[in-house]
Amino acid sequence: QQQVKQSPQSLIVQKGGISIINCAYENTAFDYFPWYQQFPGKGPALLIAIRPDVSEKKEGRFTISFNKSAKQFSLHIMDSQPGDSATYFCAASTGGFKTIFGAGTRLFVKA
Amino acid sequence: KAGVTQTPRYLIKTRGQQVTLSCSPISGHRSVSWYQQTPGQGLQFLFEYFSETQRNKGNFPGRFSGRQFSNSRSEMNVSTLELGDSALYLCASSLDGGKGEAFFGQGTRLTVV
Repeated sequence: QQQVKQSPQSLIVQKGGISIINCAYENTAFDYFPWYQQFPGKGPALLIAIRPDVSEKKEGRFTISFNKSAKQFSLHIMDSQPGDSATYFCAASTGGFKTIFGAGTRLFVKA
Repeated sequence: KAGVTQTPRYLIKTRGQQVTLSCSPISGHRSVSWYQQTPGQGLQFLFEYFSETQRNKGNFPGRFSGRQFSNSRSEMNVSTLELGDSALYLCASSLDGGKGEAFFGQGTRLTVV
């Protein structure tokens, strides 16, 4: 019940295309859903986050869509660029100060 | 504003030894969380400290322990190292943990031989 399932494991997208990464969770106590971006040799960096009281949040080319009833949320990267090539992690946390991460998606954007 | 600093960046230890890793959070942040990152298991939560108290812990054996000092700096210790402990150990700091933005350090790469 504490798991966050992330898919796909890897993704190849053409430059200018849309990258979509999906996550699903079981624990309805989760109330904070961040996405992290990690480049090789670096720690994860917060990209965008959403709380379950909104269905969508957009920041620049990055959008989170959240479906509370289906217990799913997704990251959309519009106009994907080669510089977006990285590993992306979805995560979920509760007031218990414990963040559970998805397994990660390795994104490669072809120039 | 300085970021999260983890030391050392790289470490090689022998099976059976123990190791201590250090994390200095962003100034003003009182919550520090530790994670183990491996290719097979991804990012796994170890424990979280706030104001010198452990508030939550993950499913790791007792060989993994941590502590936090009054200046919010944190250390984690792994005793009786096993080959499977080879991983990138990341710490993240936030103002109060849980629902706020967490900032990660670059990690300590531990190799157990």
